[in-house]
Amino acid sequence: KAGVTQTPRYLIKTRGQQVTLSCSPISGHRSVSWYQQTPGQGLQFLFEYFSETQRNKGNFPGRFSGRQFSNSRSEMNVSTLELGDSALYLCASSFTNFNTGELFFGEGSRLTVL
Amino acid sequence: QKEVEQDPGPLSVPEGAIVSLNCTYSNSAFQYFMWYRQYSRKGPELLMYTYSSGNKEDGRFTAQVDKSSKYISLFIRDSQPSDSATYLCAMSPNTGNQFYFGTGTSLTVIP
Repeated sequence: KAGVTQTPRYLIKTRGQQVTLSCSPISGHRSVSWYQQTPGQGLQFLFEYFSETQRNKGNFPGRFSGRQFSNSRSEMNVSTLELGDSALYLCASSFTNFNTGELFFGEGSRLTVL
Repeated sequence: QKEVEQDPGPLSVPEGAIVSLNCTYSNSAFQYFMWYRQYSRKGPELLMYTYSSGNKEDGRFTAQVDKSSKYISLFIRDSQPSDSATYLCAMSPNTGNQFYFGTGTSLTVIP
């Protein structure tokens, strides 16, 4: 069974640009969550989608947005990039949006903003 | 103040040692508690999941939750070099998938 796939794995952008990251969940999983991981703050919740609807949103500015498609694949977008957006962006999938404790994480997309 | 505090380490122990990893939290609404393990350049993977207070054991791993003290622990017995990783505590106040993570403790087990 294939795991969670995130693309691209690495990318470099400059301030002011925008970026789109993609996540393909495990087959059959309908919940996709996004987290930002930085050394100082650890993993911080961005948002969760279930059946194409945003169910929860973390405390991030509106520059961070996401969506989920009918096949459960998800994308997140960051507009007007800032240096502080440099981080590892992790996508996690789950069969349900009900907390079972288990999120299946991808290997992440490492974004560097110059 | 972060809602979840975790000593970042690094922690270095000899093979076979007992390892104790801890997190404290401030939100008394947290009910679901998890420990994840993250190897270098990989995503986190679930190790232990507990609900409310108490102990849970799974092989060499034991998770403890003390809600009265807002303190959770993970014990690793007979630690192995393959246990070398970053350990992340996580918790949630409800049945949704929004988890609050600690910053992680880096563990190295020396053969």
